[in-house]
Amino acid sequence: KAGVTQTPRYLIKTRGQQVTLSCSPISGHRSVSWYQQTPGQGLQFLFEYFSETQRNKGNFPGRFSGRQFSNSRSEMNVSTLELGDSALYLCASNLRDRPRGEQFFGPGTRLTVL
Amino acid sequence: GNSVTQMEGPVTLSEEAFLTINCTYTATGYPSLFWYVQYPGEGLQLLLKATKADDKGSNKGFEATYRKETTSFHLEKGSVQVSDSAVYFCALRGAYKYIFGTGTRLKVLA
Repeated sequence: KAGVTQTPRYLIKTRGQQVTLSCSPISGHRSVSWYQQTPGQGLQFLFEYFSETQRNKGNFPGRFSGRQFSNSRSEMNVSTLELGDSALYLCASNLRDRPRGEQFFGPGTRLTVL
Repeated sequence: GNSVTQMEGPVTLSEEAFLTINCTYTATGYPSLFWYVQYPGEGLQLLLKATKADDKGSNKGFEATYRKETTSFHLEKGSVQVSDSAVYFCALRGAYKYIFGTGTRLKVLA
């Protein structure tokens, strides 16, 4: 069974631009979560989707948004990029409604904002 | 709110040394606890988990015991290898989301 895939793996953008990241969960997984990982802040929760509905959201500004499609694939969008948005963005999926079980992580998308 | 605190790194050990990475948590209710590992250039992988008090999770020689009385979930390995060099994250699962510690970088020298 294929793992969680994320595209693209690397992105370079400039301040003020917007970016869209994509995540395909493991087949059969309906819950997708997004995290931002930076050296200073560690792993921070962005949001979680289940069955196309956002179930939970972290403490990030409205520039960060996401959505989930009927096939469980998810995208996150960051508008008006700032230098501080440079990070590794990780997507994770799990099988059940609430993340009672383990989450399976993708390799991440490395975003660099210049 | 829920939180996880783990020891800061880097932790540098010689091959075959004993490893302990401390993790304590604050949570309401009875969370599940996890250790994840991240190798360079990769996402996180589940290393082990425990879902209730006194459970011991184990995998690849690593162990951690869910201690409710001390709210701890320390990671241990009796003999580390160079291939264990990675960043280790302690995490708890609350009602709707995971809370991760800041990560501890382990360097094992041959």
